Amino acid sequence: QSALTQPPSASGSPGQSVTISCTGTSSDVGAYKYVSWYQQHPGKAPKLMIFEVSMRPSGVPDRFSASKSGNTASLTVSGLQAEDEGDYYCSSYAGSNNVVFGGGTKLTVL
Amino acid sequence: QVQLVQSGAEVKKPGASVKVSCKASGYTFTSYYMHWVRQAPGQGLEWMGVINPSGGTTMYAQKFQGRVTMTIDTSTSTVYMEMSSLRKEDTAVYYCAREIQPHAFDIWGQGTMVTVSS
Repeated sequence: QSALTQPPSASGSPGQSVTISCTGTSSDVGAYKYVSWYQQHPGKAPKLMIFEVSMRPSGVPDRFSASKSGNTASLTVSGLQAEDEGDYYCSSYAGSNNVVFGGGTKLTVL
Repeated sequence: QVQLVQSGAEVKKPGASVKVSCKASGYTFTSYYMHWVRQAPGQGLEWMGVINPSGGTTMYAQKFQGRVTMTIDTSTSTVYMEMSSLRKEDTAVYYCAREIQPHAFDIWGQGTMVTVSS
């Protein structure tokens, strides 16, 4: 499977909103509700922020929201804060117990 | 608390094998699938495969089939990932990650750096 497509970078000022896209195909993002989003800070392990397209795990602020339309999923971070800066990765189930990740987006809080 | 603790960094020569361990604690080991994900320096995440700790069935990404073996030791709640015929391109941080919801990973190990260098 090919990696999902994410923009390499995104940015916003504190308090603003930013949306990161994640484009796959009809065999992965478009076929299943199993899209997840992860936040990664430098030198740290990824942290689950969203699962099953739009569900937030306990402890993740409601500033983080996500959706999916067709073959493209999106993560929106509202009310940007300095600690939101980091790398964000989407992932999707791709059938036959396979998972595919996106290439990652570096979010900068200006 | 729920945690995954991985073995330490490794340096290997091309063609060698490496075996990374991931010890789970704080939850019922056999109740959650365990995945392995790697990240080359400055690069993105790459899914490698999954093992069911209840029974040991595995599924590997096509790219790693024949070169990666995932095993379990239920007596110590430990999952292992062994990779053979190492190449320089295998230099990466290797993570184990627990699957909490279908195909979503909530607990990650701290990562194990594997360096392949002659």
